[in-house]
Formats: sequence, structure tokens, C-alpha cells
Amino acid sequence: DSGVTQTPKHLITATGQRVTLRCSPRSGDLSVYWYQQSLDQGLQFLIQYYNGEERAKGNILERFSAQQFPDLHSELNLSSLELGDSALYFCASSEGYSNQPQHFGDGTRLSIL
Amino acid sequence: GENVGLHLPTLSVQEGDNSIINCAYSNSASDYFIWYKQESGKGPQFIIDIRSNMDKRQGQRVTVLLNKTVKHLSLQIAATQPGDSAVYFCAEKEVTGGGNKLTFGTGTQLKVEL
Repeated sequence: DSGVTQTPKHLITATGQRVTLRCSPRSGDLSVYWYQQSLDQGLQFLIQYYNGEERAKGNILERFSAQQFPDLHSELNLSSLELGDSALYFCASSEGYSNQPQHFGDGTRLSIL
Repeated sequence: GENVGLHLPTLSVQEGDNSIINCAYSNSASDYFIWYKQESGKGPQFIIDIRSNMDKRQGQRVTVLLNKTVKHLSLQIAATQPGDSAVYFCAEKEVTGGGNKLTFGTGTQLKVEL
């Protein structure tokens, strides 16, 4: 158990809808990262927050947004969903943002019908 | 599994043998590398890391070797067990903006045969 909690585990929805994925980092970790794992793209970095502030952005679509709250949990919002957004979404956390391992949750599997 | 769509290289080893999984990284400026293990239905699990000022690091049954000259990482697993069957990813840390991200390799499927 990595200590990172993601909910829900599975989400099934339709095109055009909006969903929110939630992540609770390991106790004491200030950095939260979001990654997308799809069948054809592998693991891709989306965005990083550190202590409530956005720190780094990857190839995150404009339809996607995230935030980190004062209690350090994070949410990833996906809107105007398309079939291609079907993927596993992982959250990871680390103590800081330097040379420290990121610890991953077990992901949310998003299926768009 | 999650990586079915990707053409993952596969390494098949006999139980008890040593396994060596290789990875090429892209950024010569990367200063930190991590190996992850991902089992079906789970998130990547941290195995071992190494900083660029080292060329070898050992853990319990695992060793990571770093060759900066050719930008190559390897993960050695001693006395491979059935529970080691999984997809293994190398990742390099890249600084971006005011933070950092991990860039993952494609992954290698390790199959342990009894």
C-alpha cells in the first residue's frame, strides 16, 4: 500500500460529460502529480501541484483542470469528455519536488461510452 | 492489462534465475532515475532510485546500474520469483518550469516461468 488514495476506482460515463477524480496524498507529502495511462500512449504526465500551487504542466488538455486544496488533497476535473479520454488516471505524491520518489495510487479507470 | 495496446518487450525467465531489464533514457541533463513495477490493476510501485552522481545502487534483491555515457539504465533482479511477474518501467526526472515530472519508458513485461 503506497499510502496514496484515489477515488473512485472506476467511472463510466458518456461523451460530453464532466467528471472529478480525487486524490489523497501520503501523509506529509506536499507534492501531488497526475498522470494518464492509455493503451497507446503509456504513462504521460499531466500536472504537478506543490503545497497548493501549480508547479509544472505536461500535455494536459484545456478541457482538463486540477487543483490542490489546503488539506493537500487534489482533484482532477475532466470536462466535455471524448471517447479518447478513456484511460487510467493516476495520482502520485512526494515529500517535496526534488530528487524524491513519487508514490502512486492505484488509479481511477475512466471509461467513456 | 493496462499496457495491452502497447508493443511491450517481454522478458521470460525461469524461477530462480537473475533478470536484467534495460532502459534507454533521453535527456542527458536528467539527474534522477527511478524503477517502478506495475502489476495488473495497480499503480506503479516504487522499487529503487538512483541519482546521477552514482553508477550503481543496491536494494533487496535488486540492483540498478546507470551508464551516463550511453544514457542507459538497467535493473537486475536476483533469484527471480513468480511474484516478480509484472511490467517494469524506468523513469527519468525532468525539471520543467518551477517543478518536475517523470518521463516513463515504454515498459518491459517480465514473465517468470516455473
